[in-house]
Amino acid sequence: AVQLVESGGGLVQPKESLKISCAASGFTFSNAAMYWVRQAPGKGLEWVARIRTKPNNYATYYADSVKGRFTISRDDSKSMVYLQMDNLKTEDTAMYYCTPITTRGFAYWGQGTLVTVSS
Amino acid sequence: DVVLTQTPPTLLATIGQSVSISCRSSQSLLHSNGNTYLNWLLQRTGQSPQPLIYLVSKLESGVPNRFSGSGSGTDFTLKISGVEAEDLGVYYCMQFTHYPLTFGSGTKLEIK
Repeated sequence: AVQLVESGGGLVQPKESLKISCAASGFTFSNAAMYWVRQAPGKGLEWVARIRTKPNNYATYYADSVKGRFTISRDDSKSMVYLQMDNLKTEDTAMYYCTPITTRGFAYWGQGTLVTVSS
Repeated sequence: DVVLTQTPPTLLATIGQSVSISCRSSQSLLHSNGNTYLNWLLQRTGQSPQPLIYLVSKLESGVPNRFSGSGSGTDFTLKISGVEAEDLGVYYCMQFTHYPLTFGSGTKLEIK
C-alpha cells in the first residue's frame, strides 16, 4: 500500500528557516513527480512546489507565493522528498502535505506536517 | 492560471437527500490528448483530503456508487444520490489539465 509520511513541522519565528521531509513507499518513487500542497487553518488547498523525475532533469516549479524562499528536492535512493523553507512568513502557517501526481491526480495523501510561523 | 469556481460554498442536506456541487472552470479542461483532468476530493474534518473521482466521472476504488461525476469542457458536477452522515466535510474540485494545477475553493456539506 502507498504510504506518505511527512515530518519536520513545528513552531518557528518569522524570517526563520525550516526543512520538512516526506518518506514515500508502496510505489515506484523515482517514476513519480512529487508535490507539496498546503492548507492554511480554515482555508482551502494550495499547491506549493513540484519536482519532476530524473528523465525530466528534476525540474522544479513553485507557486508565486513561495518562489525564491522555498526549495523542493528529492532523493530517489531514499524515496524522500523535502521542502526547505527560508524567510518564513506568518502566512506560511499551514498543514503541509506531500503527494505524487498520477494520471488519477492526487490519489494518495499522508497525514501532513503542521508548520506554524509566529513570534 | 485556471480558476475553478465551486458553488454553492455551503450545502445543508438531510440524510437521504440528493445534492449536487458545481465546479466551473475559467477555461476548457479538455487536454490535447483527449482526457479531461478534473478530479473531486473530500476532506472530512481533521483529516487529509481523500480522492473521490478522477477524469470527471471515474470513481476511486472504495468510493460508494452514490457518488457520481459528470460534465465536460468548463462545466462539471459532483452528485451525491442519497447523502449519508459520513459524507459531511468539504468537497474540492481540482484540475491538472493546465499547469499550474488549481483547486476550487471548496463546498462544505453539512447535515441537517
